[in-house]
Amino acid sequence: KAGVTQTPRYLIKTRGQQVTLSCSPISGHRSVSWYQQTPGQGLQFLFEYFSETQRNKGNFPGRFSGRQFSNSRSEMNVSTLELGDSALYLCASSREGGQFFGPGTRLTVL
Amino acid sequence: QKEVEQNSGPLSVPEGAIASLNCTYSDRGSQSFFWYRQYSGKSPELIMFIYSNGDKEDGRFTAQLNKASQYVSLLIRDSQPSDSATYLCAVNPGRNNNDMRFGAGTRLTVKP
Repeated sequence: KAGVTQTPRYLIKTRGQQVTLSCSPISGHRSVSWYQQTPGQGLQFLFEYFSETQRNKGNFPGRFSGRQFSNSRSEMNVSTLELGDSALYLCASSREGGQFFGPGTRLTVL
Repeated sequence: QKEVEQNSGPLSVPEGAIASLNCTYSDRGSQSFFWYRQYSGKSPELIMFIYSNGDKEDGRFTAQLNKASQYVSLLIRDSQPSDSATYLCAVNPGRNNNDMRFGAGTRLTVKP
């Protein structure tokens, strides 16, 4: 089975711009979660989507949003980018027995 | 108090030794527990999960869970230099809830 894929792998944006990241889960996995990873804060949960519905949400501002499509692919959007949004954004798809991470999107905000 | 706590390390062990990684969690109702390995510049890779009290072995890895003490550990036997990585403990509050809480990770170095 193919693993979780994320695009793009790297992004450079400037403050105030917006960005959309994409994630394709492992075939058959209906749950997709998004995380932000930074050296200072570690892995922090953003939100989880299941069957096109947001099922859980972490403690991030409303500038961070997401959605899931009928084929389970998910997108994450960050509006009005801030310098502190520079991070590795990880998507994970789930089945019982754990979450499986994609390679991540490295976002740099200048 | 953080929800999931790990010693940040670094933990250094000689090749062939047993590496012991520890994790405590605050939510007593947590149902499932996971260990991930993350190499520098890579994404986390699931290596073990455990739901029930006791030990679970998989090759050189043993996960130990003590719900009464809210404690999870990972033992790596016959440590190899390729085991050098950051190990993340993750706790899932419910069996069908994927709102995973991660510890900050313990950096392990295995010296040849």
